[in-house]
Amino acid sequence: AQKVTQAQTEISVVEKEDVTLDCVYETRDTTYYLFWYKQPPSGELVFLIRRNSFDEQNEISGRYSWNFQKSTSSFNFTITASQVVDSAVYFCALSEARAAGNKLTFGGGTRVLVKP
Amino acid sequence: GAVVSQHPSRVICKSGTSVKIECRSLDFQATTMFWYRQFPKQSLMLMATSNEGSKATYEQGVEKDKFLINHASLTLSTLTVTSAHPEDSSFYICSARTSGTYNEQFFGPGTRLTVL
Repeated sequence: AQKVTQAQTEISVVEKEDVTLDCVYETRDTTYYLFWYKQPPSGELVFLIRRNSFDEQNEISGRYSWNFQKSTSSFNFTITASQVVDSAVYFCALSEARAAGNKLTFGGGTRVLVKP
Repeated sequence: GAVVSQHPSRVICKSGTSVKIECRSLDFQATTMFWYRQFPKQSLMLMATSNEGSKATYEQGVEKDKFLINHASLTLSTLTVTSAHPEDSSFYICSARTSGTYNEQFFGPGTRLTVL
């Protein structure tokens, strides 16, 4: 069974600070996909990144970066120089290649509040 | 590309009535659609997975007679909440995927249901 844990329920930072969101996953499958989504107050999920289990390269996209470490089953997300617009709930999710319908399992989410 | 719409975006109904929510993939054919429910300050919980032309597969604890899902075409799935009660008030989100997209799901903007 697949499981995703986001231990931090809420993080509050001051603008321009860096913030790292933790994500730990559990799976028995060797082929799986990891995702991060942003959910602003409007409610609509915004796709941020997809990473497959065979690609452990870290990725940087603007102020966003991701650190994937299979050895610790973690897929952490860092926002550098945070801005007020980054305030949202961020979800980490896992999909096993063999899961029926390739369904997604979401973590509990981390609410990020960036104060001016 | 890969746009998913939901209608209505917001609905208020009286207890005991039924409400239908539509989910459409606008620019691709969705072989599989998913329905999620999200209570305030909680994560997304998968309710059911539906494949075009076949019966939906419901997650454990989800009443299939209460949450009717129809996936009649490759671009449309509907969720009907029958005899809605205040505890059914929630944010309902659909997603869609097609084959060959590395398990990625494209999410609709969500429907906020309030049952009085």
